[in-house]
Amino acid sequence: GAVVSQHPSRVICKSGTSVKIECRSLDFQATTMFWYRQFPKQSLMLMATSNEGSKATYEQGVEKDKFLINHASLTLSTLTVTSAHPEDSSFYICSALKWTSGTSYEQYFGPGTRLTVT
Amino acid sequence: RKEVEQDPGPFNVPEGATVAFNCTYSNSASQSFFWYRQDCRKEPKLLMSVYSSGNEDGRFTAQLNRASQYISLLIRDSKLSDSATYLCVAAGGSYIPTFGRGTSLIVHP
Repeated sequence: GAVVSQHPSRVICKSGTSVKIECRSLDFQATTMFWYRQFPKQSLMLMATSNEGSKATYEQGVEKDKFLINHASLTLSTLTVTSAHPEDSSFYICSALKWTSGTSYEQYFGPGTRLTVT
Repeated sequence: RKEVEQDPGPFNVPEGATVAFNCTYSNSASQSFFWYRQDCRKEPKLLMSVYSSGNEDGRFTAQLNRASQYISLLIRDSKLSDSATYLCVAAGGSYIPTFGRGTSLIVHP
């Protein structure tokens, strides 16, 4: 396997503040990382694809100005939830692609960040 | 229609049973397939990649049928610890994975 860390694991913030979540690939380099959110008893929803050294690609319906993604190095991507509101409360999970050969890859997930906006 | 569809279950089986999950995908350009396991309030963990020739890892067997566009996961000799949600994933040439909603498995004594 491979290890992806995510920090913080849990955060409670007040409405209107910003929260930054970090995602790190610890034992491999990841040019591509993904950010998901998951509501209780629902499936993972892809928010954006984060590519090292370039702008993130956002899925339809995801506000890029609200969810700022920065993939500044081959092992770190960050997601900043700006001006958070209670409806942003969710489980945010990142994942990183690890290439196992020239054409094969596996995706490993971070442990997730549970965001509660009060 | 969702791109990756799974029966949400729950599948309720006794210990020792064999259980199979199927998953269908609509994008014929999908090239990579995976099964993940997700426990309640935890992140998904990679269970196994699914190869065209089928693959086995201990009690778990995964198969791919490209013609019918479905993948399957077979769990033999179910353990209590196998209780979880199993997520099917298909990814195309852009490597962006599409997740199914998951199939819930409950293994009881």
